[in-house]
Amino acid sequence: EIVMTQSPATLSVSPGERVTLSCRTSQSVNSNLAWYQQRPGQTPRLLIYGASTRAAGFPARFSGSGSGTEFTLTISSLQSEDFAIYYCQQYNTWPPWTFGQGTKVEIK
Amino acid sequence: QVQLVESGGGLVKPGGSLRLSCAASGFIFSDYYMSWIRQAPGKGLEWVSYVSSNGQSVLYADSVKGRFTISRDNAKNSLLLQMNSLRSDDTAFYYCARADRPQQLLRPFDYWGQGTLVTVSS
Repeated sequence: EIVMTQSPATLSVSPGERVTLSCRTSQSVNSNLAWYQQRPGQTPRLLIYGASTRAAGFPARFSGSGSGTEFTLTISSLQSEDFAIYYCQQYNTWPPWTFGQGTKVEIK
Repeated sequence: QVQLVESGGGLVKPGGSLRLSCAASGFIFSDYYMSWIRQAPGKGLEWVSYVSSNGQSVLYADSVKGRFTISRDNAKNSLLLQMNSLRSDDTAFYYCARADRPQQLLRPFDYWGQGTLVTVSS
């Protein structure tokens, strides 16, 4: 099983700040990595797939990078609607499909 | 538009059974691989089970293997999860989710239902 490790667990930031979230995998997943956004009380939404392709409906301030075992999600200028939990997920090696434990982005 | 609507959750005693359903619409259901993913209240996401587009191939997380059975009825655009021998650690919101491209396995989940809550408690 591929273990996903996200850091930090919680990030306290102010609106307008640049945010960088990290996801590491226990073995290479090539570029088969996705990021999901889950706002409070809502269902997870696919945000990034293929490590760097933004899903429909998300603005350009969201970007993903990385390959192999190290990945990054960057939000260039945090908006109020971006406060949420972000999960990474690998879909390279299965079963199981595995998720990170999440990074909560909260208001400072 | 794509819609996934789960139902069947509720309160059940340890050792009991429950059957979840997911009604799909807005896409050609029979073309897509589907999964169940769960989330304990306040916790992270855990993939539970997968079924191929024709229902012939299924996979399970170790935590539910031998207790849960996934199936689908393509004629009714429906995904099912039969859950037996339920335990307290099965308490979670259960989401059905679709792989984002038809007939492709190495894909993320692009549409999720709103979830149905299963509570296992005496």
